[in-house]
Amino acid sequence: EPEVTQTPSHQVTQMGQEVILRCVPISNHLYFYWYRQILGQKVEFLVSFYNNEISEKSEIFDDQFSVERPDGSNFTLKIRSTKLEDSAMYFCARGTDQETQYFGPGTRLLVL
Amino acid sequence: AQKITQTQPGMFVQEKEAVTLDCTYDTSDPSYGLFWYKQPSSGEMIFLIYQGSYDQQNATEGRYSLNFQKARKSANLVISASQLGDSAMYFCAMRDLSLRGTGNQFYFGTGTSLTVIP
Repeated sequence: EPEVTQTPSHQVTQMGQEVILRCVPISNHLYFYWYRQILGQKVEFLVSFYNNEISEKSEIFDDQFSVERPDGSNFTLKIRSTKLEDSAMYFCARGTDQETQYFGPGTRLLVL
Repeated sequence: AQKITQTQPGMFVQEKEAVTLDCTYDTSDPSYGLFWYKQPSSGEMIFLIYQGSYDQQNATEGRYSLNFQKARKSANLVISASQLGDSAMYFCAMRDLSLRGTGNQFYFGTGTSLTVIP
């Protein structure tokens, strides 16, 4: 049973459109993370979310990005106006205040 | 500066042989964690093994072991008795634990592509 589920598994969008990527943690955890992985490159940290607030964000996470936990369960990443370079695999991860983070299966985003 | 360095972009190993994937890291934090993840062609990230900076013994998980050499700042992954299903990308990652409890991030290396040859 996956620790985290992500929807959609794939999304194709036009440049300039808004996309919302969703993450549903199976267990009730306080710590959530978004990462992205451009094809063939390493995984890059975007943002961490602790106790319903952003706790840390990278320089990649600019004003085009936002995160929410609208209903206390789903955890969303919104990209307001997508660019071609936003095409990547986006991973949600959940963690504890211990060490390991468990990743979801990812959403593959393609911006045309 | 690179936090995590994986110098082997690609590795080949014969089935049933052991293979070592290299990872070096850079941190001034005395408390940190080191991780290895496997990414098969399907794309998901699978947690393999964890080593804490204060752990006295090298971590082991089944066929995976972590050769932790703190003075050299290296955390190599050893896979014993390779199987065809081990063919995948392998990422080394580090987390500074001094900010534990604030959701601090992971730093990933560029990965090593492992191919197991039958």
